[in-house]
Amino acid sequence: EIVLTQSPGTVSLSPGERATLSCRASQSVDKSYLAWYQQKPGQAPRLLISGASKRATGIPDRFSGSGSGTDFTLTISGLEPEDFAVYYCQQYGGAPLTFGPGTKVDIK
Amino acid sequence: EVQLVQSGAEVKKPGESLKISCKGSGYTFPTYWIGWVRQMPGRGLEWMGFIYPGDSDTKYNPSFEGQVTISADKSISTAYLQWSSLKASDTAMYYCARGPLMTRLTHFDHWGPGTLVTVSS
Repeated sequence: EIVLTQSPGTVSLSPGERATLSCRASQSVDKSYLAWYQQKPGQAPRLLISGASKRATGIPDRFSGSGSGTDFTLTISGLEPEDFAVYYCQQYGGAPLTFGPGTKVDIK
Repeated sequence: EVQLVQSGAEVKKPGESLKISCKGSGYTFPTYWIGWVRQMPGRGLEWMGFIYPGDSDTKYNPSFEGQVTISADKSISTAYLQWSSLKASDTAMYYCARGPLMTRLTHFDHWGPGTLVTVSS
């Protein structure tokens, strides 16, 4: 099983600042099959990025994903008020599918 | 528009059985994997398993195998998650989600709103 570790656990930032979230895998993720989701309180997760760097339909370009192998990054360039949420990575390069524990981005 | 509509919240007692549902619309339901994801209170996301409604091919996370049953009725575009004997530790939000890739190794592009299951004596 591929274990995903996300860091930091929580980050406090101000609107307009850049957020850099890390997702590290215990072994290489095949074909960069890594997705990122955003979850707000009381809501279902929303797909942001698949294939490590492909934005989902309707996702603003301030969200970008990068990385390969075992190290992946989600960058939010210029936080908007609606971006304060929990972010999860998920690998689908191997079974079972696994999620990271999440990074909470809260308002400083 | 792709939509996944889940059945309503449930309150059950330990030992009772339960079946929750997820109805898809706006796409060809039989040809996309439907996954189930658990989120325990205040915790992260856990993939439970998948079903391909076209032929009911099912794949479980080993952590959940034997604990739940996933099924589907493609004639009514609905997938199900069921328990034969609930435990207090099954208290969680359960999401269904669509896998857009033609493979069991997929991410999830559309999610249902979740079904809250509470198990308490």
